[in-house]
Amino acid sequence: EPEVTQTPSHQVTQMGQEVILRCVPISNHLYFYWYRQILGQKVEFLVSFYNNEISEKSEIFDDQFSVERPDGSNFTLKIRSTKLEDSAMYFCASSRAAGGQPQHFGDGTRLSIL
Amino acid sequence: DAKTTQPNSMESNEEEPVHLPCNHSTISGTDYIHWYRQLPSQGPEYVIHGLTSNVNNRMASLAIAEDRKSSTLILHRATLRDAAVYYCILRLADFNKFYFGSGTKLNVKP
Repeated sequence: EPEVTQTPSHQVTQMGQEVILRCVPISNHLYFYWYRQILGQKVEFLVSFYNNEISEKSEIFDDQFSVERPDGSNFTLKIRSTKLEDSAMYFCASSRAAGGQPQHFGDGTRLSIL
Repeated sequence: DAKTTQPNSMESNEEEPVHLPCNHSTISGTDYIHWYRQLPSQGPEYVIHGLTSNVNNRMASLAIAEDRKSSTLILHRATLRDAAVYYCILRLADFNKFYFGSGTKLNVKP
């Protein structure tokens, strides 16, 4: 069964540095998403992406964050000037369509900011 | 976004059925009802979804009340592997984002 893959599984970065989290969505999916989960807290929506542009974003997704689909397979989340509070699990998801279609999630990247 | 209410935790015995309830009294006509679960140290996993009619798949069944203000996820025979946090989520047909609540933590006893 096709799945969403994320790399790396764990990323350790110094505060203030930039980090890029990578995702390979399911190949025939058209919608892509990033979520984050701070340890012990809820899963929070960050952004959705369709047709090479952001379709929705949350209040969390400020100018520090950006997303890109640099080629036909990868979907990336860039966090500039990382802060301690950016430490979390970051999940990528994809879906074939919007609305009623299920989203398929990867197993996440654990980001640790030191 | 429409709100869902779920019990914080539930417990079940292995190989017995489990009924996980969800209240969504403010649901609108275009909201889909989705269920996901999250096993420890993993990403959320799709379980089932529906709009008005009851739904069955290989993982579970979804029973939707006639007024759509509540739904129940049914695991027919719980296994130890089903121990997870189960999320009931409403999703508007025209929107992409999910809002996860706190979910129900299901504990399965051998």
